[in-house]
Order: sequence, then structure tokens, then C-alpha cells
Amino acid sequence: HLQESGPGLVKPSETLSLTCTVSGGSVSSSDYYWGWIRQPPGKGLEWLGSLYSTGSTYFNPSLKSRVTISVDTSQNQFSLRLTSVTAADTAVYSCARGLRIYGATGPWDPWGQGVVVTVSP
Amino acid sequence: ETVLTQSPATLSVSPGERATVSCRASQSVGDNLAWYQHKPGQAPRVLIYGASTRAAGIPARFSGSGSGTDFTLTISSLQSEDFAVYYCQQYNNWHSFGQGTKLEI
Repeated sequence: HLQESGPGLVKPSETLSLTCTVSGGSVSSSDYYWGWIRQPPGKGLEWLGSLYSTGSTYFNPSLKSRVTISVDTSQNQFSLRLTSVTAADTAVYSCARGLRIYGATGPWDPWGQGVVVTVSP
Repeated sequence: ETVLTQSPATLSVSPGERATVSCRASQSVGDNLAWYQHKPGQAPRVLIYGASTRAAGIPARFSGSGSGTDFTLTISSLQSEDFAVYYCQQYNNWHSFGQGTKLEI
């Protein structure tokens, strides 16, 4: 089970910060990887970035300079930071667990319920 | 960037009928493709991965086929609970999603 938490409203130019709390598994497990996906209103799904148990992170090239993902193994959580937000960053943000299929990157399963984040003054 | 194009955008079918959704990739993704079902107010659920492997607990009426650039999701006999939005996703070259297909009655 994954649960997102964080502010639902962020001002333009500020930093969006969300946390995903994982239950029923460990963020340190090499059987999985972890990530963030968003869906702006009326638009499709967009992958933001992924975190592996090795500590490696990978980000959508379109956002690479603004996004970071970190992990807190003591709390079994991982977090998203997106800097310099604009109205275009308004979206439902979801965290998800990625499956490793024979050690390689696989699909997202399960996803969190998602949290609505609005960027507005 | 690998762009996934789904068709149709909306599919109107009746319960008991067969539904087919297509997904075309702008470059080969091998068999690194998944299908998701998304219902309002719920988290997306993976149905198929590896282009044709059903995820745990997914009914046999859901099947996937294809490789390379052309993929298909088939629902053999639609049940009322199958009406939802379906997305394809590739995980061969980073991650990207199709724009979704709304399955409606």
C-alpha cells in the first residue's frame, strides 16, 4: 500500500514537496523500484522519475533540472521535490511501486490513490 | 522520447461484446509494454505486462498481444465493471504512457 501526503496548494515559483509512505514492503528491497507519476487535468499520464534501491535516480528529461526524488529508509518513505512550479504543474500526483522483472525495469504496481496539487497564488 | 499513440480515443461497446484497443510506439519497445485500467476515484491497476502476461488476479478475459511497435489489448466479453479508461505504457526507454482509451457503454 502506498499513500501520498503533502500540501494541496503551492504558490508559483515555489517548491512542491510530496511524500509517499510505503506499507507492506520495504523501500530498500531490490525486488522493486519506486517512482512518481502525474496527470494534469484533462491530460494524460506523465512519468516524473524513478528511484532504485541502489540509490540511483532517473528523471523525465523534460523535468530533469527541476525534480529530485529522495528516500528515508527509517520511515519507509520516498519523496518528490519539484522546484519553480507554475500553473502547468497543477496535477494529480501519484506514487507507485515498480516491479523488477528478471531484474529489469517492469510496470508500475500498485499505485497510490494520488493527491491533487494546485499551483496558484 | 518514445511516444505511444492509442486508438481509438473512445470505444462504445455493449456488455458481452469484445473490445480491442491498439497502442503504437514511435520506436521499438520490444515487449516492454504494460496495460492499465483506471476507474474514477481509484488508482490505476496493471492488467498486462511484458505485452502479453496477465498480472496477478486479472481475469482471463483480458489479453495482450504484440511486440516491437504495435500492441493490442483485448477484452473478450465485456462485463459492467470493465467500463473505464485504459492506458498503455512502455518501460523500455524510460517511461511513457499512451493518451488513454475510454471504454463506454
